[in-house]
Amino acid sequence: AQKITQTQPGMFVQEKEAVTLDCTYDTSDPSYGLFWYKQPSSGEMIFLIYQGSYDQQNATEGRYSLNFQKARKSANLVISASQLGDSAMYFCAMRETAGGTSYGKLTFGQGTILTVHP
Amino acid sequence: EAGVTQSPTHLIKTRGQQATLRCSPISGHTSVYWYQQALGLGLQFLLWYDEGEERNRGNFPPRFSGRQFPNYSSELNVNALELEDSALYLCASSLLAGGASTDTQYFGPGTRLTVL
Repeated sequence: AQKITQTQPGMFVQEKEAVTLDCTYDTSDPSYGLFWYKQPSSGEMIFLIYQGSYDQQNATEGRYSLNFQKARKSANLVISASQLGDSAMYFCAMRETAGGTSYGKLTFGQGTILTVHP
Repeated sequence: EAGVTQSPTHLIKTRGQQATLRCSPISGHTSVYWYQQALGLGLQFLLWYDEGEERNRGNFPPRFSGRQFPNYSSELNVNALELEDSALYLCASSLLAGGASTDTQYFGPGTRLTVL
């Protein structure tokens, strides 16, 4: 069974500073995908960034980057130059395949509430 | 390009009634997923439909069911509503029919179901 752990219930950061949100995962399958989503208070889940288990380089998307450490099974999200609009809940999620077959579902962590202070 | 749309935005029902939630995927996406986000329970996978077929379901009772139409839109039905069914129901869609691990799911705004 796969498992995603986000150990930081809440994080605070000053505007314009960088922040790292932690995510560790557990899977026995060599092929998997890791995703980060942002959920503002409105409820919609917004896709931020993706990292594949076979990707050689860490993923980056604008101000978002993923610090992928495969041996440690961690996939931390780094947000650079935080903005007030970054205040939201952030979820780490994993999609696993078993023997080449996908189960389709994403398994989510518990989430981290990020608050950006002016 | 329009994103995933869901209707209604809010739905209020009483215990024992049935609820129907609807989802339209991003144009060109064939896979639709349903998730439940209840307070204290996080996001839980409900159902996956692809090309009109149910491909996988999560650990939910049979009163949670759904279907996918030929135009790839989907419907989630919850029968015999219970108080604990109150939650935000999120629909997502993805492009790759095989549901590969690389396939990104894009979510709609959700339907907030309240059971009284």
